[in-house]
Amino acid sequence: AQSVAQPEDQVNVAEGNPLTVKCTYSVSGNPYLFWYVQYPNRGLQFLLKYITGDNLVKGSYGFEAEFNKSQTSFHLKKPSALVSDSALYFCAVRDMDSSYKLIFGSGTRLLVRP
Amino acid sequence: GAGVSQSPRYKVAKRGQDVALRCDPISGHVSLFWYQQALGQGPEFLTYFQNEAQLDKSGLPSDRFFAERPEGSVSTLKIQRTQQEDSAVYLCASSLLEGANSPLHFGNGTRLTVT
Repeated sequence: AQSVAQPEDQVNVAEGNPLTVKCTYSVSGNPYLFWYVQYPNRGLQFLLKYITGDNLVKGSYGFEAEFNKSQTSFHLKKPSALVSDSALYFCAVRDMDSSYKLIFGSGTRLLVRP
Repeated sequence: GAGVSQSPRYKVAKRGQDVALRCDPISGHVSLFWYQQALGQGPEFLTYFQNEAQLDKSGLPSDRFFAERPEGSVSTLKIQRTQQEDSAVYLCASSLLEGANSPLHFGNGTRLTVT
């Protein structure tokens, strides 16, 4: 069975500082990993995905994620946080056994203070 | 519009009432998913359609939940005899293709409150 874990309920950073939101995964086979962001009262917006290739994946709004196979991690990063980045972030893995549905982590709330 | 559209945006139902939630996917998208998101939680999978075929309904929590997509476009999620534990945001997502590479595009959801 596929699963992802987000160990932090909340991450606090100051504007202009780098940010990291952690995600670890458990899959059978090759992982297909995604990051989504959710703003209040909105649906989820796609940020980036890892399928294969370079371990550093670049996505929307200046976000990137680093795939680490040995640590089974897929942490989301941004070099310089903005207050407008404050939102709920979800890591997800594609279920390759059934319907290709996304299986989501519990989410991490990012709070960027001015 | 270019995105996934869901209606109504908010729904309040009395316990025991039936509700119907609508999803208009992006035009031409083959795959359609329904998710349930409880407050403060990640979305949980409910069901999946490929065109008009419902290929996976393993996430539907009970036989009170029913989904359809009769013409392979618009989908409706129906909940019969609503209970308080059904209160959640119901998200619909579509993707252009069936397969692991194709990202899901989500609607803004329907917030269901059962009183």
